[in-house]
Amino acid sequence: DQQVKQNSPSLSVQEGRISILNCDYTNSMFDYFLWYKKYPAEGPTFLISISSIKDKNEDGRFTVFLNKSAKHLSLHIVPSQPGDSAVYFCAASRGFGNEKLTFGTGTRLTIIP
Amino acid sequence: GAVVSQHPSRVICKSGTSVKIECRSLDFQATTMFWYRQFPKQSLMLMATSNEGSKATYEQGVEKDKFLINHASLTLSTLTVTSAHPEDSSFYICSAVGQAYGYTFGSGTRLTVV
Repeated sequence: DQQVKQNSPSLSVQEGRISILNCDYTNSMFDYFLWYKKYPAEGPTFLISISSIKDKNEDGRFTVFLNKSAKHLSLHIVPSQPGDSAVYFCAASRGFGNEKLTFGTGTRLTIIP
Repeated sequence: GAVVSQHPSRVICKSGTSVKIECRSLDFQATTMFWYRQFPKQSLMLMATSNEGSKATYEQGVEKDKFLINHASLTLSTLTVTSAHPEDSSFYICSAVGQAYGYTFGSGTRLTVV
């Protein structure tokens, strides 16, 4: 039962353009969401998070949007840079802190120079 | 910022032997640590949650007698893969949570059982 899904296994974007990564969840108890960037054979690196009381959170080039009614969140990266090429995972939890994270299936983002 | 150190980064062991993986929070006390496993091109799957001084909580389908977790202090958790088999070959990642910090991940351990 995949409670967090990323339907696009891969995405290619031209350098300088906007990258949009999508994530859907089914568990309505999730109220905290995170995005991670991951390289092979390394641990995930935290990018940005959002709690369910908000619908948008920005941090530099990264913006996360949350649509609770649709159980959908997205990560926008603008402008995209070659160093952004990696696998991106969304994750969800019931609350912040000691609650476990449930990860999505990942999207491989490739930025084309 | 918070740092989690995970060792070893890669290990090769013979089938039937045991392997221990360490996860340390270097500059904060981790009230909870999580252990994940990632197979190639797949998601990170939670194996177990451990709290200092208490027994770990395992996810459904994870054998607690095979994957022994010890969280003896607020800065150290260990995962021991006992009687390893080739199907246990995977990438294992720990994550630590402290009061002032969110989820911080270790760099992972690539286990290959031959």
